[in-house]
Amino acid sequence: GAVVSQHPSRVICKSGTSVKIECRSLDFQATTMFWYRQFPKQSLMLMATSNEGSKATYEQGVEKDKFLINHASLTLSTLTVTSAHPEDSSFYICSVAGDFPSTDTQYFGPGTRLTVL
Amino acid sequence: EDQVTQSPEALRLQEGESSSLNCSYTVSGLRGLFWYRQDPGKGPEFLFTLYSAGEEKEKERLKATLTKKESFLHITAPKPEDSATYLCAVGGGTSYGKLTFGQGTILTVHP
Repeated sequence: GAVVSQHPSRVICKSGTSVKIECRSLDFQATTMFWYRQFPKQSLMLMATSNEGSKATYEQGVEKDKFLINHASLTLSTLTVTSAHPEDSSFYICSVAGDFPSTDTQYFGPGTRLTVL
Repeated sequence: EDQVTQSPEALRLQEGESSSLNCSYTVSGLRGLFWYRQDPGKGPEFLFTLYSAGEEKEKERLKATLTKKESFLHITAPKPEDSATYLCAVGGGTSYGKLTFGQGTILTVHP
């Protein structure tokens, strides 16, 4: 498997400010990381696929200029929510494409709860 | 388009009362069917990966099975600590690496 951390675990910000969320793969060099968003009582929705050293691939309907993703190393990907608004309040979770039992298996971080006032 | 439907939406069991959760799926070229457990306010925890019809995986009180159209997560003699949301996801052949998740089943086990 893979151990994944996220920082911060919770963040509260004012409307119009930007927030950066870090996702780290602690014991595995992750070529690919994924960012998900989860609203209350809903399932995970994939936002984007982050590949080390290249531009992220965003899902349909996700604004790439609002949700900036940087995957600068094999252990770190960041998601920056720019000019956050209350509707961006959600639970953001990253995952790492591991190698056990296959490269299709994703291991998830603990999540970041974003509240925009 | 890959689709995953889980049922029931919520399930309440008494401790020791065995049951099953269902995950129906449609996918073009299954690369894997995945089961995760998610506790409130936490990220999903990996449980199983199944690749082909007829395959079974077990872990403690949980057993996952797979057919060509659905997967079952059997819970034998559950305990209160098994209470969580169980998520099913599929990886399809047309979207390498991406997972499509179902809505989840909220399991509550009463002592």
